[in-house]
Amino acid sequence: DAKTTQPPSMDCAEGRAANLPCNHSTISGNEYVYWYRQIHSQGPQYIIHGLKNNETNEMASLIITEDRKSSTLILPHATLRDTAVYYCIARGSGNTGKLIFGQGTTLQVKP
Amino acid sequence: GAGVSQSPRYKVAKRGQDVALRCDPISGHVSLFWYQQALGQGPEFLTYFQNEAQLDKSGLPSDRFFAERPEGSVSTLKIQRTQQEDSAVYLCASSLGLAFNTGELFFGEGSRLTVL
Repeated sequence: DAKTTQPPSMDCAEGRAANLPCNHSTISGNEYVYWYRQIHSQGPQYIIHGLKNNETNEMASLIITEDRKSSTLILPHATLRDTAVYYCIARGSGNTGKLIFGQGTTLQVKP
Repeated sequence: GAGVSQSPRYKVAKRGQDVALRCDPISGHVSLFWYQQALGQGPEFLTYFQNEAQLDKSGLPSDRFFAERPEGSVSTLKIQRTQQEDSAVYLCASSLGLAFNTGELFFGEGSRLTVL
């Protein structure tokens, strides 16, 4: 599975959009981009995933560049409860399905 | 309950003791994963079950680690002769479909193991 690179930490003001970048320049054509987040002392929580089209759900939007070498997770109106570590993962559809987590981005939402 | 349940939530073991960690996945979920998360690090894959079959155990760090899922539902991760470096949170996750489908994984809250 492709390696992903994320900034170690970011801050965001409460109520503003949080834009979390991820680089996956070695991603292959059948690898999906997944985002999970982990709030302190909890297990990771699924947010969203996509292959090449932009995706939106009730939690977030995922914007994938046309060359698929990078993506951005957007939380449209961040709240204090969105403070967490956010993991960007490139996952192959043909493997055993294991997710390879990196270090993630620690997002601190501030009042 | 509706989610993945893990027990015990906290376990303290003396070095050299054996421990067993239990995972109750969501009912009907075919796939089950175990992950290890050291302090300040992302989760690392240990092993994967499809029903009762252990299809991938490439992440188990040594032969002291053993996992089973005999009836395709509850799973147990056993660590023999625990060492201090085994101290970590052990996370279990399940998913409805086969692993290579693109469905989401549902994680439990983890079992925190401290080896003294």
